[in-house]
Amino acid sequence: KAGVTQTPRYLIKTRGQQVTLSCSPISGHRSVSWYQQTPGQGLQFLFEYFSETQRNKGNFPGRFSGRQFSNSRSEMNVSTLELGDSALYLCASSKTTYREGAQVYFGPGTRLTVT
Amino acid sequence: AQSVTQLDSQVPVFEEAPVELRCNYSSSVSVYLFWYVQYPNQGLQLLLKYLSGSTLVKGINGFEAEFNKSQTSFHLRKPSVHISDTAEYFCAVSVSGTYKYIFGTGTRLKVLA
Repeated sequence: KAGVTQTPRYLIKTRGQQVTLSCSPISGHRSVSWYQQTPGQGLQFLFEYFSETQRNKGNFPGRFSGRQFSNSRSEMNVSTLELGDSALYLCASSKTTYREGAQVYFGPGTRLTVT
Repeated sequence: AQSVTQLDSQVPVFEEAPVELRCNYSSSVSVYLFWYVQYPNQGLQLLLKYLSGSTLVKGINGFEAEFNKSQTSFHLRKPSVHISDTAEYFCAVSVSGTYKYIFGTGTRLKVLA
């Protein structure tokens, strides 16, 4: 069974540009979450989607947005990139709506560098 | 609000020696606790989790953790480490009823030959 896949794995963008990252969850998984990992702030929750609906959101500016498609694939978009957006962006999927003990599976991440 | 503190940013240890990675959490409600490992250029892999029941939790790769409610701790232990255990380890707590995790800042475990 394939794991969570993220594309692209590496990306270099310039300040002011926008970027879209993609996440394909494990087959049959309907919940997708996104995290930002930086050396200074660590791992921070961005948002979670289930059945195309955003269910939870972290404390990030509106430049960060996401969506989920009917096949559970998810994208996140960052507009007007800043140097501080350079990070590893991790996607995680889980099978169902939240239930106790359900495991979350992480993808390998997309490394975004903003110059 | 929940929070997680990992007291050690780096832990060097010799191969075959025991190790303990410390994690303290803060929460006003019942929590679910997790330890994840991250190898270079990879995502996070679940080592073990505490949901309820026995306070001693066994995970993969010989790791175990003990939940201590009075000390609000969830320390990770391994009796004998290998070079391949060199990685970054994250303690996390899940926000009640969601898949939102609050992570600690991570501990880099470096196993020396």
